[in-house]
Order: sequence, then structure tokens, then C-alpha cells
Amino acid sequence: DAGVTQSPTHLIKTRGQQVTLRCSPISGHKSVSWYQQVLGQGPQFIFQYYEKEERGRGNFPDRFSARQFPNYSSELNVNALLLGDSALYLCASSLAMGASGSDTQYFGPGTRLTVL
Amino acid sequence: AQRVTQPEKLLSVFKGAPVELKCNYSYSGSPELFWYVQYSRQRLQLLLRHISRESIKGFTADLNKGETSFHLKKPFAQEEDSAMYYCALRRFGNEKLTFGTGTRLTIIP
Repeated sequence: DAGVTQSPTHLIKTRGQQVTLRCSPISGHKSVSWYQQVLGQGPQFIFQYYEKEERGRGNFPDRFSARQFPNYSSELNVNALLLGDSALYLCASSLAMGASGSDTQYFGPGTRLTVL
Repeated sequence: AQRVTQPEKLLSVFKGAPVELKCNYSYSGSPELFWYVQYSRQRLQLLLRHISRESIKGFTADLNKGETSFHLKKPFAQEEDSAMYYCALRRFGNEKLTFGTGTRLTIIP
């Protein structure tokens, strides 16, 4: 298993544009979470999806949205991009919903978004 | 509100010396604590979690609820320990992880 995969690896956009980032979880994992990591900071939680439903949302504006597909892959969309959206976007997958002992979160390599 | 504080952005330690990376947290309930590590050019990966009480790569961490700390320790540093270390917290039964700002550990040969 290749682990969690994300695409694209890098992306450059201009202010006001829209972007879609993609994540494929580890086979069998039903939970996908998205994090934003700004340079010099730790990852910050954006969304969690489990069984195709939103189960958690961080403190991000409505310009951020996500969805999970029947095959458990996920997309993160950001509209009306701002310079401050430049960051590494991480996807993490796990088997379950935070049930201790069975739910280690495995992270993907991230998508580096640069907004000019 | 959940908060994780890692007071040291950078930490340099000589090979063979003891290592301690500090982590303090604030959370009103009963948290689950983790240490994640990111080696150069690799993805973020779980190092250890407090409920498993394991020692991974010689690292240990004890949850001290009185001091609200979860410091990461290793008695003898190795060069391959050089990496970025993040302390993280979550509520039991919840996937949301709250991360600290990270500590970059450099082991001096």
C-alpha cells in the first residue's frame, strides 16, 4: 500500500481563484481529515469526514469546503483564494472515528499551495 | 479550548546526550496525547501516544495531568533523531488533532 496519497504535489494560483485538492486514503480507511500547515506552525485542523459525512470542522471560513466520495477519497475546495491561504495542505486517514487503539491517523505528503 | 504549547522552536543536543522536548497542554477534559515526527523529506508520522505506553526508537513520554505536560525523552541521542517533532492532543472519540508549533531537534555529531 502506498499510504495516503495527495495530488497535486505543488500548485500555484493567483488571488481570487479557486483550487481543488485531492486525497486518497489508505485502503480500508473510512475517515479522512484535512489540515492546513502554514510555514513555521503546526498543522491546523480544517475538516473531518467519516462515511461520507462531515463530522468535524475547524475554525476556517466558508470559502473552505470538502467532500468525501463513495470510495472514501476526498476533495478540499478553497474559493476566492487569499495570499494567506498559501500553505501545505495535509490529508490524514484512519480506520475509525477516534476510537482509541484502532485509529492512528496516517498523513499524506501534502499539497503545497502558493497564492500569488 | 484545546491548546498545545511547545516552548522550544529549536533544540540542539550532542550525540549520546539526553534529550527532552517539552510539551504542555490545556484542555478541560481528559485528553489523548501524541508525539508526531517529521524526518527530512518525509511525511508526518506518529512516534508515540500516551495510552499505549510504548517506547519507540528509545523515546518515551509520560502524561503528567497535574502539570498538564507530555514531555518527550530519550536517554541517549542519536544522529538519526534529527527531525521536526510535534506534540498533539485530541479528545477521546474525536479525530481532530490540535498540534503545537513544533520543535526542530538537531543532534550534533
